Amino acid sequence: EPEVTQTPSHQVTQMGQEVILRCVPISNHLYFYWYRQILGQKVEFLVSFYNNEISEKSEIFDDQFSVERPDGSNFTLKIRSTKLEDSAMYFCASTTELAGGYEQYFGPGTRLTVT
Amino acid sequence: AQTVTQSQPEMSVQEAETVTLSCTYDTSESDYYLFWYKQPPSRQMILVIRQEAYKQQNATENRFSVNFQKAAKSFSLKISDSQLGDAAMYFCAYRAEYGNKLVFGAGTILRVKS
Repeated sequence: EPEVTQTPSHQVTQMGQEVILRCVPISNHLYFYWYRQILGQKVEFLVSFYNNEISEKSEIFDDQFSVERPDGSNFTLKIRSTKLEDSAMYFCASTTELAGGYEQYFGPGTRLTVT
Repeated sequence: AQTVTQSQPEMSVQEAETVTLSCTYDTSESDYYLFWYKQPPSRQMILVIRQEAYKQQNATENRFSVNFQKAAKSFSLKISDSQLGDAAMYFCAYRAEYGNKLVFGAGTILRVKS
C-alpha cells in the first residue's frame, strides 16, 4: 500500500540553526500539508500546498517557515532559524482531492528537538 | 473559525468492553467531514473512521462506530469489544467540504485494561 514517508525520523538541532524536514507524499496525490504537534498537545495545521504554491497557512507559519516541492516527489519544510518552541513532532500529509471525504494520509512524523 | 472539543482527556476500558469517546464541534458550514484518528505510541496518525455531514446514517468500521448528531454538533466514537491494541490517543477532526485543513481536538488518551 502506498504511504507517505518522512526523513529524518528524529532531528536534533541548536537554536538558531536552519533545518529542512523532508517528505515524500503518495505519488498521485496533489495536495500536501504540514502539521505540528507539540508534545502532549493537539495536532495543529501549519500549511497546505497545491499546484506549486501555498494554498493556506496558519498564524504559526510565519516568515521563519517555508515549503517547497523541489522536484516531482519531495515536499520540504524549512525552518530558517529554529527556536526552542519549535521542538515538536512534524507530520506531512497528502491527499488526492479536496472535495469529498478524501483521507489525508499522514507520514510517520519527524521529531524535531531544538536545544 | 471551526473548533473541535474533546472533553475527556483520558478514558479507561476493560478488555472486551465497550467505550465511547466524545467530541463536539462548532461550525457554520452545512457540508463538512468528521474524522477520528488514532495515534498509538509510535505517534503515527491512523484514520479510524470518517463521517460525511450530509449522510444521516452513522458510519461503522468493524468494531468502530460513530454517533453523529448534526443538530447537536456531536460526533462520538464507540469502540466495541475493546482490545489491548486499541490503547492510543484518539483525535477527533473536522474538515470543511472544500477545506484544506483538518482541525483537531485536543485528544483523548484511551487505556485498555486486561
